[in-house]
Amino acid sequence: EDQVTQSPEALRLQEGESSSLNCSYTVSGLRGLFWYRQDPGKGPEFLFTLYSAGEEKEKERLKATLTKKESFLHITAPKPEDSATYLCAVLYSGGGADGLTFGKGTHLIIQP
Amino acid sequence: EPEVTQTPSHQVTQMGQEVILRCVPISNHLYFYWYRQILGQKVEFLVSFYNNEISEKSEIFDDQFSVERPDGSNFTLKIRSTKLEDSAMYFCASDRYSNQPQHFGDGTRLSIL
Repeated sequence: EDQVTQSPEALRLQEGESSSLNCSYTVSGLRGLFWYRQDPGKGPEFLFTLYSAGEEKEKERLKATLTKKESFLHITAPKPEDSATYLCAVLYSGGGADGLTFGKGTHLIIQP
Repeated sequence: EPEVTQTPSHQVTQMGQEVILRCVPISNHLYFYWYRQILGQKVEFLVSFYNNEISEKSEIFDDQFSVERPDGSNFTLKIRSTKLEDSAMYFCASDRYSNQPQHFGDGTRLSIL
């Protein structure tokens, strides 16, 4: 069973059409949840860190929220340049101490 | 803005050969990591390195793999005898404190023939 599950796997939106990406996790002892953006052929680019349930972070058209079991990445009025794969990753105390455990990502396409 | 740099961007190697992937982490960072991403799959943790020693390694990081920080700026991953299944993107990452965001380089694409 995957410890970090992202949904949907792929999402196609029209420019300006807001939506949310989901990241659910089953690990215990969460030390941090991280959102990254990955463009084709590039490394993950850091977006947000969330440490405790109820926390929210915002940057331009993106807003990340965290509960005890999942996180959402809300995209408001997206533009074509927001097209990318969005990755969720966790650090937790129950298993590995230092390495991030990633989900498979959501491939987002914003059509003009 | 400081960034993690990796060389080469693409490495093609014959099966059974040794390969060294190189990384220059962000200069004031203290924790260093290697990850890999097989085409179409998720990013997987390989190893973390702190205070000149391995602090954690995954099941993937077997005896064929080793890491080294040969000087104050470079961090390397060596695969001693490459296999076809080692073909992947290898990412280096670094951060200043544990629990802080890890910053990734753009990776080395390793192709084993």
